[in-house]
Amino acid sequence: ETGVTQTPRHLVMGMTNKKSLKCEQHLGHNAMYWYKQSAKKPLELMFVYNFKEQTENNSVPSRFSPECPNSSHLFLHLHTLQPEDSALYLCASSLESGGSYNEQFFGPGTRLTVL
Amino acid sequence: GQNIDQPTEMTATEGAIVQINCTYQTSGFNGLFWYQQHAGEAPTFLSYNVLDGLEEKGRFSSFLSRSKGYSYLLLKELQMKDSASYLCAVSDSNYQLIWGAGTKLIIKP
Repeated sequence: ETGVTQTPRHLVMGMTNKKSLKCEQHLGHNAMYWYKQSAKKPLELMFVYNFKEQTENNSVPSRFSPECPNSSHLFLHLHTLQPEDSALYLCASSLESGGSYNEQFFGPGTRLTVL
Repeated sequence: GQNIDQPTEMTATEGAIVQINCTYQTSGFNGLFWYQQHAGEAPTFLSYNVLDGLEEKGRFSSFLSRSKGYSYLLLKELQMKDSASYLCAVSDSNYQLIWGAGTKLIIKP
């Protein structure tokens, strides 16, 4: 138990569906992250929020839309996805983004399958 | 570009020692992290090195050479539960983590 929870753990959706992934951290952190993890590839950073403000958007397609209503919650809204978007989506948090020591705490991930 | 290299897969025997290497080329360096990830679970923090040398923590040790762009994770007295993927990540000049693809470690009895 890392103090970061994600729901749902598994999601199967069609290309025309709209769904949302939820992340919650109970660690009092101020930074939250979305990563995409595909088999045998490095973790891909998608979005970073620091004190509820988005500070990074690594050229992510607009079919992925993040939302951070407060420092404890992070959402990833999905619409019109493609089969190549199938992956494990990991949420992480840290005390804040930036700074020389930036240990990130990860949730268990949502395994997404797009049909 | 920025690059982290680590072996894709390694196999070792229970009770033995294994060394997982990581080489990096990044724009700036603000520390190197090792994480462990069991199949279907969250990555969990193992170690952080920012200065050259060896950091020991129980059965696990991590070494860093900044001049060589090189680190290794050393696992001693291997146990079956050590079967997992080991991820190397470098904090670059913008304090953003650059990740390797991970090394899958298989422990055999």
